[in-house]
Amino acid sequence: GDSVTQMEGPVTLSEEAFLTINCTYTATGYPSLFWYVQYPGEGLQLLLKATKADDKGSNKGFEATYRKETTSFHLEKGSVQVSDSAVYFCALNYNTDKLIFGTGTRLQVFP
Amino acid sequence: ETGVTQTPRHLVMGMTNKKSLKCEQHLGHNAMYWYKQSAKKPLELMFVYSLEERVENNSVPSRFSPECPNSSHLFLHLHTLQPEDSALYLCASSPGQGTGELFFGEGSRLTVL
Repeated sequence: GDSVTQMEGPVTLSEEAFLTINCTYTATGYPSLFWYVQYPGEGLQLLLKATKADDKGSNKGFEATYRKETTSFHLEKGSVQVSDSAVYFCALNYNTDKLIFGTGTRLQVFP
Repeated sequence: ETGVTQTPRHLVMGMTNKKSLKCEQHLGHNAMYWYKQSAKKPLELMFVYSLEERVENNSVPSRFSPECPNSSHLFLHLHTLQPEDSALYLCASSPGQGTGELFFGEGSRLTVL
């Protein structure tokens, strides 16, 4: 079945460092791909999405490119801030609102 | 109030208790969801309601019983739970248009003793 695999955290970085959180997927068709973020004590919220191969989603300085050849959707940010500390979830769907999520990756940014 | 609100935020219960989790959305959405969030596991979809009808039940044990009396409210009734049911239970809603954008509540942290 379809699934999403994320790198195990926590990812620990100093402020202004470059961030990569890996996400790969297994899919029988051509899904849309998402990154959701969960800040401490809050619910998940959509960060960015991409609906087809080679699309790049971006928001708040974060980017992810839909790579069909490597079945990946890695999240990147050029310079992280302490306020980016959160849990990041990769997910996929097929034109429905039923999302398949990964395990989440915790990011800790220190000043 | 706006968004998706869940109550209670924290709940501790014994294995023989009966309790309920409540979710309310003020976004005018047509679909509501229960997810279970456990450490080091993918977010697990439990139930989906669309226009107040249950459209998905992902092999969830019968000790979890959902109820959707109207499009704004969703309940999860809990009875004779097990310690392994301890988790964060997240409610979400969506317009139901297949965009994949879900709006989540802050969750109810459940501890079963």
